Amino acid sequence: KNEVEQSPQNLTAQEGEFITINCSYSVGISALHWLQQHPGGGIVSLFMLSSGKKKHGRLIATINIQEKHSSLHITASHPRDSAVYICAVRGSGGGADGLTFGKGTHLIIQP
Amino acid sequence: ETGVTQTPRHLVMGMTNKKSLKCEQHLGHNAMYWYKQSAKKPLELMFVYNFKEQTENNSVPSRFSPECPNSSHLFLHLHTLQPEDSALYLCASSQWRREGTEAFFGQGTRLTVV
Repeated sequence: KNEVEQSPQNLTAQEGEFITINCSYSVGISALHWLQQHPGGGIVSLFMLSSGKKKHGRLIATINIQEKHSSLHITASHPRDSAVYICAVRGSGGGADGLTFGKGTHLIIQP
Repeated sequence: ETGVTQTPRHLVMGMTNKKSLKCEQHLGHNAMYWYKQSAKKPLELMFVYNFKEQTENNSVPSRFSPECPNSSHLFLHLHTLQPEDSALYLCASSQWRREGTEAFFGQGTRLTVV
C-alpha cells in the first residue's frame, strides 16, 4: 500500500507570497492528482500528472518520478487560494478507486 | 460546479433515525464512488460501483447501505449510526479505470450523528 505524505500540514502566508506544498509517496505510481477542497467541503481536481510539469494560471505542479515526489506551487498567492490541498496517487488505470490520499495541507492566505 | 451533485449538504440525525444521501451525475460516467472524510484523516473509499454493479466494499459496517439504481444516481442509506460516523461524505464519478481519466467530486454531505 502506498504511503502518501504531505508537508507542511498547515501553512499561513501573506498575500502575494510564493507557496510550495510538497507530496511524497512510497511506491511507484501511474498518476498523481492535486485536489483543492474549500471550507464548504467540495473537492475540485487541479492537476493530474504522471511526469514533468503542468501549469494552470498561477498554479504549477511538478513531479519527479525517480524521487517519488511532487510539488504544488502557487505564485502571487491570494486570500481566495485559502483551502485544503490534497495529494492523491494511484498505482494503475484511471478513475477514483485505487487512489491513496494524503491528509492534506491547510493553506491560509492573509490579506 | 463539477457536475456531481450531492443532497443534502448538511444532515443532523439521531442514532435511531434512517436517512439517505443522494448523489447525481450527468457527465456520462459509468463509475460512482462513496468516500468518507473524517476530521484530520485522509479520504477513505467506502464503496465503488461500476456500471451499477458494486465492485468494492472496503469493510464498511452494514449500517451503511449503498444503492445504485442506474449509472447516474447513487444513494447511501444510513440507519442506526454512531456518533463516530459523523463526517463529510463525498461522492465521486469517473469513467471506469480508463487510463488518464479524472475523478469528479461532489460538494459533500456534512453528517452529524447525535
